[in-house]
Amino acid sequence: NAGVTQTPKFQVLKTGQSMTLQCAQDMNHEYMSWYRQDPGMGLRLIHYSVGAGITDQGEVPNGYNVSRSTTEDFPLRLLSAAPSQTSVYFCASSYSMGTDGGYTFGSGTRLTVV
Amino acid sequence: GDSVTQMEGPVTLSEEAFLTINCTYTATGYPSLFWYVQYPGEGLQLLLKATKADDKGSNKGFEATYRKETTSFHLEKGSVQVSDSAVYFCALSDLRGGYQKVTFGTGTKLQVIP
Repeated sequence: NAGVTQTPKFQVLKTGQSMTLQCAQDMNHEYMSWYRQDPGMGLRLIHYSVGAGITDQGEVPNGYNVSRSTTEDFPLRLLSAAPSQTSVYFCASSYSMGTDGGYTFGSGTRLTVV
Repeated sequence: GDSVTQMEGPVTLSEEAFLTINCTYTATGYPSLFWYVQYPGEGLQLLLKATKADDKGSNKGFEATYRKETTSFHLEKGSVQVSDSAVYFCALSDLRGGYQKVTFGTGTKLQVIP
C-alpha cells in the first residue's frame, strides 16, 4: 500500500538507551519530516529533509539525529533517551517543496522513556 | 514568526448539529492553509486545503474559506456524524529559504454524541 510506514508502533526505553525510529515512503516524495506530538502543544518539527543527502533542523532538534541516504527512508535516531522525549512521533512526507503540498503522515510511534 | 491559533476544545455536539471550528493565523508571506484530521490511534490525514485568498477547500462535507482580510480559515460542516469524532488541526505552509515550513495549531477535539 502506498504511503508512509513507521516502525515500531510502540517502544519503551530506559533512560540513556539509544534507538532508531524508522520511516519509509513509497510515493517518491522529496520532502520528509519528523514531528513530535505532545498534549496541548500540537506538532513540533524535529528535523526535515528536502532530498537525499540534505537535512536540516526544525524547532526541537536537540537529542535527535537524522540522515537521508535514499529518497525512500528517513530514520530518526535518539542518541541517549531522556524522559522528556516521551512522546508520539510522526513521520510525514510531501510531494511539493512549495506551499501547496499537503503532508502524508505515518501512523506514529508511541515512545515511553522510563 | 508564523503562528496558528485554534479554538480550545473539546467541542461536544449532538449528531446532525452544525459544526464550526475557528482558526486564525499570522504569517509574513502568502501561505497555503490546511485542515488535518486525526482519528484515535492514527496519524494526521489531510482533510482540505486552500492555496490563495478566497479559495474554498472542501471534502467529505467539510468546508473552509481562506479569508485574508480576517486571517481566518474556519472549518464548517452542516451536519456532523458520530464518525466525525476526532481531533482537527489547522495548519499553514509558508516558504522559508525556498522550502515549505508548516506550522500547526494545537488541535481541537470534536466529540459527536448520538
